[in-house]
Amino acid sequence: DAKTTQPNSMESNEEEPVHLPCNHSTISGTDYIHWYRQLPSQGPEYVIHGLTSNVNNRMASLAIAEDRKSSTLILHRATLRDAAVYYCILSPHNEKLTFGTGTRLTIIP
Amino acid sequence: NAGVTQTPKFRILKIGQSMTLQCTQDMNHNYMYWYRQDPGMGLKLIYYSVGAGITDKGEVPNGYNVSRSTTEDFPLRLELAAPSQTSVYFCASSVYRGTGLDGYTFGSGTRLTVV
Repeated sequence: DAKTTQPNSMESNEEEPVHLPCNHSTISGTDYIHWYRQLPSQGPEYVIHGLTSNVNNRMASLAIAEDRKSSTLILHRATLRDAAVYYCILSPHNEKLTFGTGTRLTIIP
Repeated sequence: NAGVTQTPKFRILKIGQSMTLQCTQDMNHNYMYWYRQDPGMGLKLIYYSVGAGITDKGEVPNGYNVSRSTTEDFPLRLELAAPSQTSVYFCASSVYRGTGLDGYTFGSGTRLTVV
């Protein structure tokens, strides 16, 4: 499976936008980019996924670089509830997802 | 909808004991997964199933067994518990759409300690 690289941790102020980066320079043409998050003491939660075009849903936006070698998860207005570990995952069909260690996001009140 | 339900939430086992972690989903999802998560680590896939009667190994299957007799249930069996199996276990499910699987729905986990 193609590998992703994420910062170990990030901090952001409450009510400000958050940009979580993910590098995936070895991505293949059939790999979808998936984002999940895991709140403390909970199971992971699906956030968003995309292939080539930017994607928006009620939780977040996904911005994908034109060469697809990187992507950014955007939380438009962070709340304390967004404090979690965020995982960026590549998979051709969303089967057998492999979770790395992700980015631990801390929200500062 | 209840989503994905895991029982028990907590369990302490002695070395050599056996137990079954239960997982059931009410979303008619055909894909189901078992993951384990060790402290400070990401999730590792143990077993998965693409439908009733079909199961396959993931990244770390040793020491575990699964069965999938119905669409709803996907139990995980530990036959001879070992301290290395101390972990949090998550069950997940998904359904195939035209362009791939939907986002996974995870249960709340079972925290297992083997002493």
